[in-house]
Amino acid sequence: EAGVTQFPSHSVIEKGQTVTLRCDPISGHDNLYWYRRVMGKEIKFLLHFVKESKQDESGMPNNRFLAERTGGTYSTLKVQPAELEDSGVYFCASSPRGSTNYGYTFGSGTRLTVV
Amino acid sequence: ELKVEQNPLFLSMQEGKNYTIYCNYSTTSDRLYWYRQDPGKSLESLFVLLSNGAVKQEGRLMASLDTKARLSTLHITAAVHDLSATYFCAVLPYSGAGSYQLTFGKGTKLSVIP
Repeated sequence: EAGVTQFPSHSVIEKGQTVTLRCDPISGHDNLYWYRRVMGKEIKFLLHFVKESKQDESGMPNNRFLAERTGGTYSTLKVQPAELEDSGVYFCASSPRGSTNYGYTFGSGTRLTVV
Repeated sequence: ELKVEQNPLFLSMQEGKNYTIYCNYSTTSDRLYWYRQDPGKSLESLFVLLSNGAVKQEGRLMASLDTKARLSTLHITAAVHDLSATYFCAVLPYSGAGSYQLTFGKGTKLSVIP
């Protein structure tokens, strides 16, 4: 089966611009997660979708970040306007409904650089 | 707040040697995961540990979980160069908490040298 797909793999934007990251989860996975790793820090949780609903968005850093999951399929994460501290690697993961017994499948990440 | 401490953060070891990576966490949990990441690649799931005393082995890697000590170990036996990567442990809160929020350690960058 296809894994979790993220694009772009890299993005370099100027401070103040807008960037949209996309994640396509494994087909049939109801759960979709966004995580972020800022340079030198741990990978941190951002939010969790169950189908199209936001189940937990407690990790979203501020209102410049907007996540959506249209129709419960792919998800987008928009940063507007981007700031320097938003630079990092953004990971998406998905998992089947109702079970954590198999762990989460992660995508390769989007490396975002804000200059 | 759940905290996960992983050590060492950097590990350089010779081929053929054994070593252990430690993962301590701060609050009750019964679900712990080990991932491997190669540069520029995704986090690859290695082990899922779901109960106290769980032990899993795959090739030269063996992972264990002690929920009472809040400790997991990843043991490497007779290391080979192909094991060079960054290894992360990640913890979910106790299953009764209803949280799906993984907390990660900082990762251990392993380099296996000839």
